Amino acid sequence: NAGVTQTPKFRVLKTGQSMTLLCAQDMNHEYMYWYRQDPGMGLRLIHYSVGEGTTAKGEVPDGYNVSRLKKQNFLLGLESAAPSQTSVYFCASSPGQSREQYFGPGTRLTVT
Amino acid sequence: QQQVKQSPQSLIVQKGGISIINCAYENTAFDYFPWYQQFPGKGPALLIAINPDVSEKKEGRFTISFNKSAKQFSLHIMDSQPGDSATYFCAASPPHNDMRFGAGTRLTVKP
Repeated sequence: NAGVTQTPKFRVLKTGQSMTLLCAQDMNHEYMYWYRQDPGMGLRLIHYSVGEGTTAKGEVPDGYNVSRLKKQNFLLGLESAAPSQTSVYFCASSPGQSREQYFGPGTRLTVT
Repeated sequence: QQQVKQSPQSLIVQKGGISIINCAYENTAFDYFPWYQQFPGKGPALLIAINPDVSEKKEGRFTISFNKSAKQFSLHIMDSQPGDSATYFCAASPPHNDMRFGAGTRLTVKP
């Protein structure tokens, strides 16, 4: 039982490049989330999903897109990376009946 | 503008002492208040959570105190241990799961 996994662990992008971060969970959770963590800012919610095929905007959605085509996967896309998107990205999931969120190990993204 | 304000930014406590971290919120729609613990290089993990129907919840050495009228809640770690050294985040969520986190407190427990 791997829990929540994130791919890749590290990535360096040049400004304007695109990439997709993959989150996978094997706990059959309904809800999935993408956060970014920056020093002194805590975690900020980018987008979330309450079920397969649904997505919703969080606190800081600009510059990101997401898709939830399968229940176990939640993809975060950056279409045109900017240095302001340099951050550590965390994915999380939670079962529908509980608010506890289970976090992945994070992806450290640097945009130069 | 952060919806959940957390203090202090950092805290140093001697082994065996009490660690206290405070949070305040504005949005009265929040109805779930968790605390997360994060070790370096890891994702956050739920430590303890409370809803506004109770004023205190205790789990082992960890206690949440909740003051609904003041819109404040705090985490108390009794008998703090070096293994408790981590970053702690308070958070608050309305019913639709749009969780808002505080900025975090880096706790160091000195042996």
